Amino acid sequence: AQSVSQHNHHVILSEAASLELGCNYSYGGTVNLFWYVQYPGQHLQLLLKYFSGDPLVKGIKGFEAEFIKSKFSFNLRKPSVQWSDTAEYFCAVTPPGTPLVFGKGTRLSVIA
Amino acid sequence: EADIYQTPRYLVIGTGKKITLECSQTMGHDKMYWYQQDPGMELHLIHYSYGVNSTEKGDLSSESTVSRIRTEHFPLTLESARPSHTSQYLCASSVPGQLGGHEQYFGPGTRLTVT
Repeated sequence: AQSVSQHNHHVILSEAASLELGCNYSYGGTVNLFWYVQYPGQHLQLLLKYFSGDPLVKGIKGFEAEFIKSKFSFNLRKPSVQWSDTAEYFCAVTPPGTPLVFGKGTRLSVIA
Repeated sequence: EADIYQTPRYLVIGTGKKITLECSQTMGHDKMYWYQQDPGMELHLIHYSYGVNSTEKGDLSSESTVSRIRTEHFPLTLESARPSHTSQYLCASSVPGQLGGHEQYFGPGTRLTVT
């Protein structure tokens, strides 16, 4: 079965620090890749997605992710985090014809 | 952006009660999903549907049932609620992306507490 691994359970950063959250998946074929964010008390929102083309994907709020096929990875990055980025971040993969498979999530806490 | 509605948003009920969690979407999406999520934890797929009269069980064993009589409506029912059902239930629908995958849009969730 497909699986998604997020390496960090909880990340704590100071404001203006750079962020990188790791995500690896196990499916060997063509996939669509997503990062979702869940702010405290809010519903899941799509942050960015990769279907094909340029492996460097830009999303909302200054986030980007890079798809490295050889490493089965889709890491999320942001050059400078803000307090408002405090949230839970979920990586997800969908092999064709199947529902999304989610990672366990990474909780990001940004402190002043 | 899809509009997905879930009611109720919060529900506290006693053990043994039958409940139905409602989910509706207004975008005409064929595919709909139910996830269970405990606070700060991963999402577990419990049911999904690829269209009217189509329902499938997900990865997580669940004592709930679903129905899909209309495209826009995908209710989830617990015949006899137990404290172990206490959780957040998220509904989602999706549109086809490239290469056969699907981009999912989520509702606000129903937080269920069974006492």
